[in-house]
Amino acid sequence: GQQLNQSPQSMFIQEGEDVSMNCTSSSIFNTWLWYKQDPGEGPVLLIALYKAGELTSNGRLTAQFGITRKDSFLNISASIPSDVGIYFCAGQLTTNAGKSTFGDGTTLTVKP
Amino acid sequence: NAGVTQTPKFRILKIGQSMTLQCTQDMNHNYMYWYRQDPGMGLKLIYYSVGAGITDKGEVPNGYNVSRSTTEDFPLRLELAAPSQTSVYFCASSYGGGGQGYTFGSGTRLTVV
Repeated sequence: GQQLNQSPQSMFIQEGEDVSMNCTSSSIFNTWLWYKQDPGEGPVLLIALYKAGELTSNGRLTAQFGITRKDSFLNISASIPSDVGIYFCAGQLTTNAGKSTFGDGTTLTVKP
Repeated sequence: NAGVTQTPKFRILKIGQSMTLQCTQDMNHNYMYWYRQDPGMGLKLIYYSVGAGITDKGEVPNGYNVSRSTTEDFPLRLELAAPSQTSVYFCASSYGGGGQGYTFGSGTRLTVV
């Protein structure tokens, strides 16, 4: 089946720094999604991307749909302590009943 | 709106016992999914449903069963629990199947001993 490689696996950063993480796939997706999971909770959708090359922002978060359709990137600017959590990428094919393939996550720790 | 509600939040089962994880959503979503999350890993799809009366296997269905008698409810049944089923289980829903993100429940943490 399809596999997503998400990197880095973990990040330890200082408050105020910018963060970048990415996801690569061996196959093409029509939709890329980024979620954040807080401890003890389910993931929450942050950004959805629908077109190759698309760049979308949500506050301090910016995500891009790679032009090859096999990768996606998430940037967080000026990190704050509440950014702590696990960030997941997910890919979808529109012909696949909405099933998502998830990356293994990037655990973000922000030091005040 | 409550969104997606999962019960119970925690459960300890003995090997060989059975249980049902409950999931209900009040958003009139057609599509529902069950994923499991093992430590340090992403989510793996167990079963999914595209509407009432329709279910299908995902990537890791062995040892599980589902039913979808109504739009709102999508219970996951574990028969003959095994230690390999120790995991956190998430139910999710979406309105359509074409590139929409999910609304997740808060999860059920299951330990099989």
